[in-house]
Amino acid sequence: EVQLVESGGGLVQPGGSLRLSCSVSGFTFSRHYMSWVRQAPGKGLEWVAKIRPDGSAKSYVDSVKGRFTISRDNAKNSLYLQMSSLRVEDTAIYYCAKEEYYRYDYWGQGTLVSVSS
Amino acid sequence: QSGLTQPPSASGSPGQSVTISCTGTSSDIGAYNYVSWYQQHPGKAPKLMLYEVNKRPSGVPDRFSGSKSGNTASLTVSGLQAEDEADYYCSSYAGSKNVIFGGGTKLTVL
Repeated sequence: EVQLVESGGGLVQPGGSLRLSCSVSGFTFSRHYMSWVRQAPGKGLEWVAKIRPDGSAKSYVDSVKGRFTISRDNAKNSLYLQMSSLRVEDTAIYYCAKEEYYRYDYWGQGTLVSVSS
Repeated sequence: QSGLTQPPSASGSPGQSVTISCTGTSSDIGAYNYVSWYQQHPGKAPKLMLYEVNKRPSGVPDRFSGSKSGNTASLTVSGLQAEDEADYYCSSYAGSKNVIFGGGTKLTVL
């Protein structure tokens, strides 16, 4: 059974930092692209970042470039999102998702990030 | 990186069919067949329902179908059932390794 479990969310002040983790099981993690997708409260979905299976290439939505860093540890079957210079508008549920040809076929349950003073 | 356009709401009675549209541009939906649809029930993670315009993952009922014409993709749910009531999101590859989503459509089963 495929499982993706996010952790690391919480309340942080504007300008602060947070590191999200996603622990994966049920498929060969090292062979697949992975992404982070977020959903602001009551809003739609937004792709945030993506990483190649070997970690050699990464891409980001414009609004987080220079502030967020996606990474992975294939030995630990884990995906990460380091978030810095957080803004109120980054408040959202952050989902990790397994990506196959620009579709997300498995999702975690999400972790809530709240940015507020 | 503008989003795709979906109607905010749609509705139908049990047993009926409903179609949800998703409009993009010649740089996303019009350029690629990487259109997907997701179903999201309240408080739950999204679930992939269709990919590459009209392909269903294993386990998704064939009541769900998809199509594309030009810059617009559509999701049709036939034989509506109560459990189909949810939010539906379309997405498309938009080049430069990016995926964009629609704003979502709330489907109500009357």
